[in-house]
Amino acid sequence: DIQMTQSPSTLSASVGDRVTITCRASQSISSWLAWYQQKPGKAPKLLIYKASSLESGVPSRFSGSGSGTEFTLTISSLQPDDFATYYCQQCNGFPWTFGQGTKVEIK
Amino acid sequence: QVQLQESGPGLVKPSETLSLTCTVSGGSISSSSWSWIRQPPGKGLEWIGYIYYSGSTSYNPSLKSRVTISVDTSKNQFSLNLSSVTAADTAVYYCARGDSSGWYGYWGQGTLVTVSS
Repeated sequence: DIQMTQSPSTLSASVGDRVTITCRASQSISSWLAWYQQKPGKAPKLLIYKASSLESGVPSRFSGSGSGTEFTLTISSLQPDDFATYYCQQCNGFPWTFGQGTKVEIK
Repeated sequence: QVQLQESGPGLVKPSETLSLTCTVSGGSISSSSWSWIRQPPGKGLEWIGYIYYSGSTSYNPSLKSRVTISVDTSKNQFSLNLSSVTAADTAVYYCARGDSSGWYGYWGQGTLVTVSS
């Protein structure tokens, strides 16, 4: 299986901060990576697909970059609605796998 | 707007079979792939497997011996059967629609299944 490792596991930040989350794959996955946001008691929401494509309706403060084994999700200016847990997912090889999650908390 | 809704028992006894159904509305199941993903309480996401409307499937090897995903195009539904469950199978189970590349833009709300006697 392709292992996905996110860092950090928890991130404390303030409204307006620029936030970056990293996801590393155990082998190259080209650009076959997605990012999701999950709030407590809710299903994940797709933010970014194919490493850097913004899903329709997602605010432009979210951006993704990277290819191969290292990827980043950036929130340019953190908003109150952005406090949540974020997951990366690879779909380069079966089984699809997710990172362990990064919780963005209020500082 | 495509909507997905999981249904099924919230409590299953150890060694029995967990059975869930996902009903798709607002779109036809005869396109895309349809998946089950689970999340143990307080933990991360685990991909269980998918099915195409044609019936072709792919399963997570860690669960493959116990999992069956099927589709009923006449009812716009797909289903999950997970046999010989243990407490480790306690989780919120999500159904989701995958695009051709494998990411998930549409999810059900999730249903908690607890394995306990």
